[in-house]
Amino acid sequence: NAGVTQTPKFQVLKTGQSMTLQCAQDMNHNSMYWYRQDPGMGLRLIYYSASEGTTDKGEVPNGYNVSRLNKREFSLRLESAAPSQTSVYFCASSRDSSYNSPLHFGNGTRLTVT
Amino acid sequence: KNEVEQSPQNLTAQEGEFITINCSYSVGISALHWLQQHPGGGIVSLFMLSSGKKKHGRLIATINIQEKHSSLHITASHPRDSAVYICAVNPSGYDKLIFGTGTRLQVFP
Repeated sequence: NAGVTQTPKFQVLKTGQSMTLQCAQDMNHNSMYWYRQDPGMGLRLIYYSASEGTTDKGEVPNGYNVSRLNKREFSLRLESAAPSQTSVYFCASSRDSSYNSPLHFGNGTRLTVT
Repeated sequence: KNEVEQSPQNLTAQEGEFITINCSYSVGISALHWLQQHPGGGIVSLFMLSSGKKKHGRLIATINIQEKHSSLHITASHPRDSAVYICAVNPSGYDKLIFGTGTRLQVFP
């Protein structure tokens, strides 16, 4: 079982460049999430999709956009990358958005913006 | 003060030792999650609990709702247990998770 698959694993961007992080899950989960992880801080929610067709901002949405392409796929786009977006990004999914069911995470994308 | 605090921040142990990682929180919660993150790797959900105690293999998680405290215990620790352990809480009435900053555990042979 693949679970949650994220691509790419690593990426280096120059300031101002754009990129899309891809995420897909094969567990028929309704809810999907994008988090960022920075040293000394807990995971922070960027955007989430409670169900297919809906997306909502999390704690730190500025500079990002998302698309819930279908039930399986949830992508994160950086339109104009900034050094402050250097981070490790994790996609996750769960049965629903209540947080009373386990989260399943991808392996992460390490992004460096120079 | 962070809403979720973990202690210790770093922990080293010898193989076979009993390990305890603590998580304290300041809000009423619906559920608490324990996650494991291996170096350079993804994050795995270990437990989700709202009361009492859960056990899976050598891992035991307990929660005391009144004291707003949870512990993760590892019995007979092994070098493969070396990882960052993260506590996260779901505040009552909110669809969100608040994460702790993690406890880094190293188990030496």
